[in-house]
Amino acid sequence: NAGVTQTPKFRVLKTGQSMTLLCAQDMNHEYMYWYRQDPGMGLRLIHYSVGEGTTAKGEVPDGYNVSRLKKQNFLLGLESAAPSQTSVYFCASQVAGANVLTFGAGSRLTVL
Amino acid sequence: LAKTTQPISMDSYEGQEVNITCSHNNIATNDYITWYQQFPSQGPRFIIQGYKTKVTNEVASLFIPADRKSSTLSLPRVSLSDTAVYYCLVGPSNQAGTALIFGKGTTLSVSS
Repeated sequence: NAGVTQTPKFRVLKTGQSMTLLCAQDMNHEYMYWYRQDPGMGLRLIHYSVGEGTTAKGEVPDGYNVSRLKKQNFLLGLESAAPSQTSVYFCASQVAGANVLTFGAGSRLTVL
Repeated sequence: LAKTTQPISMDSYEGQEVNITCSHNNIATNDYITWYQQFPSQGPRFIIQGYKTKVTNEVASLFIPADRKSSTLSLPRVSLSDTAVYYCLVGPSNQAGTALIFGKGTTLSVSS
C-alpha cells in the first residue's frame, strides 16, 4: 500500500515546454486534489476531482489542465510552462465522507 | 467555505506546551476542523480532527469552543522534531464537490 505517489519528483523545463505530472493513489479514494506551494504562500488549490471523469477549478487554475480518466490517477498538465509556475506541486486524495487528506511527497518543478 | 486565519509564526523551547489558534468566523454547521503538519520537503500529514469541544490523540489535543469560531491545537511538551508548519483546514465531511482551501499556516520553531 503505497498511498499517494507522484511522478516525477523533480523536473526542469524551459519556458513554453509542456509536461504532465502524474498522481496515483491505491486507496480507492473518491476525491483527488492538486495544490501548489510557493515560499510564504501556503498551499493553493489548483484543480480537484470528486470522481472519475469529473474535475473542477480551484483557487489558481489558470495555465493548468487536469484529467481523471481512471479513479486512481489524477493528471496535472502544463501546456506552455512559464517561470511563474516554478513551484512544488502536491497531490492529495480523500475518501468520501471523511475530511482527511492524504498527501503525496511532492513534485518540484523549475521553469527556466 | 470558511476562511481560516492563523499566526504566521511561533517560537518555543523544548519541553514547553504550544498552543496554536485558528480563527474561522464563518464556519458552517457541517464543517469539521482538521489540522495538518508539514515538514520541509514533505507533504502535509494529518494530525487531528474535531467538530466541537475537545479531541485528544497521542500527538495533540484540539480545543473547540461552543461557538466554533476558533480552534486551538495544543502540542504538549514539544521537541525539536515538532518544528514544522501547521495548517488549520475547515470543511464539510460529507459533501461532495468541496474545494478544500488551506490558509498560509503557522511556522513553529522549537529551540533547545
